[in-house]
Amino acid sequence: RKEVEQDPGPFNVPEGATVAFNCTYSNSASQSFFWYRQDCRKEPKLLMSVYSSGNEDGRFTAQLNRASQYISLLIRDSKLSDSATYLCAVNPHSGSARQLTFGSGTQLTVLP
Amino acid sequence: EADIYQTPRYLVIGTGKKITLECSQTMGHDKMYWYQQDPGMELHLIHYSYGVNSTEKGDLSSESTVSRIRTEHFPLTLESARPSHTSQYLCASTGTSGRYNEQFFGPGTRLTVL
Repeated sequence: RKEVEQDPGPFNVPEGATVAFNCTYSNSASQSFFWYRQDCRKEPKLLMSVYSSGNEDGRFTAQLNRASQYISLLIRDSKLSDSATYLCAVNPHSGSARQLTFGSGTQLTVLP
Repeated sequence: EADIYQTPRYLVIGTGKKITLECSQTMGHDKMYWYQQDPGMELHLIHYSYGVNSTEKGDLSSESTVSRIRTEHFPLTLESARPSHTSQYLCASTGTSGRYNEQFFGPGTRLTVL
């Protein structure tokens, strides 16, 4: 089983739709959680850190469910510019330099 | 915006050549990383560093080597490039301050070996 798993998609949604991605992790001791956005042939860019209480940034909401060991990303009122691959990342080794394990990404296409 | 730089951005080179991919960050981060990513595929960690004079191999076996002589600089070297090394190489860094130790990426080097 992979340490971090994501549904690869693709998710094809119309503009204005709400879309949600989940990401499961296997190590219950994981400490830090993140969502990254990666455009085609570009580097990943940090979208949100995921706080234990959940957090919201505009149209984006991230949540952590420690009991079920998953994090989620909700995008409301999706825009064409939201089309990208969304990577979740988990720190499975508290305090270690290895830091993050990335999921393989979920591809989102927002259609006009 | 994170201050992490990679050069060259694009490199096309012949088989057997020695190449060095440069990565520098001006944030004073002690932890740095190299990832390899093929188009449409997942990130693979190939090297990481705790700090100066400390380097470790990552999950994906790589024929490349790295060095960390200065905090801000983490170059990756391929002694003899082969077509199988064609890929995108992404450098990243993380600080130790703050609770969440966010990782920031450079723009990447797209390497093509002919």
